[in-house]
Amino acid sequence: AQSVTQPDIHITVSEGASLELRCNYSYGATPYLFWYVQSPGQGLQLLLKYFSGDTLVQGIKGFEAEFKRSQSSFNLRKPSVHWSDAAEYFCAVGTTTGNQFYFGTGTSLTVIP
Amino acid sequence: DAGITQSPRHKVTETGTPVTLRCHQTENHRYMYWYRQDPGHGLRLIHYSYGVKDTDKGEVSDGYSVSRSKTEDFLLTLESATSSQTSVYFCAISSSGGTDTQYFGPGTRLTVL
Repeated sequence: AQSVTQPDIHITVSEGASLELRCNYSYGATPYLFWYVQSPGQGLQLLLKYFSGDTLVQGIKGFEAEFKRSQSSFNLRKPSVHWSDAAEYFCAVGTTTGNQFYFGTGTSLTVIP
Repeated sequence: DAGITQSPRHKVTETGTPVTLRCHQTENHRYMYWYRQDPGHGLRLIHYSYGVKDTDKGEVSDGYSVSRSKTEDFLLTLESATSSQTSVYFCAISSSGGTDTQYFGPGTRLTVL
């Protein structure tokens, strides 16, 4: 069965520090992978996506993610976090069968000055 | 931003009453989805549609029904609302299903007393 695991429920980082949010997926076929960000009271916004090709993908707001098939991971990174990055982050996998998406439970990011 | 609206944005209702939430899109996307978001659970798929009058169940479909009579509208109905259906409901659209980006609406906060 398809599933997405985000092991970190909550992460706190200092402004200017680097960030890595973990995501592991379980899916038998080629995964279509996404990272979304949700600010309080808002809907989800796409940060980046991986479909094929280069395993390091760049997204908006200075985020990047690396797909590692051997580890079934798609971790999100940012070299220097800004206070405005405080939000909830969701990893998702899209499926070709059934055309559904499966989301992780999210990681809440707090940025301290 | 993708043209997705949800109505109402907030609703308080009583146990046992029927409730209908509406999702409207102006993007002409084929796929439409209803999710609920609850703390600790991330986003869980309720139902989705892959065309006019074509719908399928998601992970948490019990107690919910949907209808799609036009490309642009996707309705979610709670036949007899229960307190366990208190949640934030998000509509999403996608052009090509699980292999494409989802765009999310702003959400509807539903409280069932």
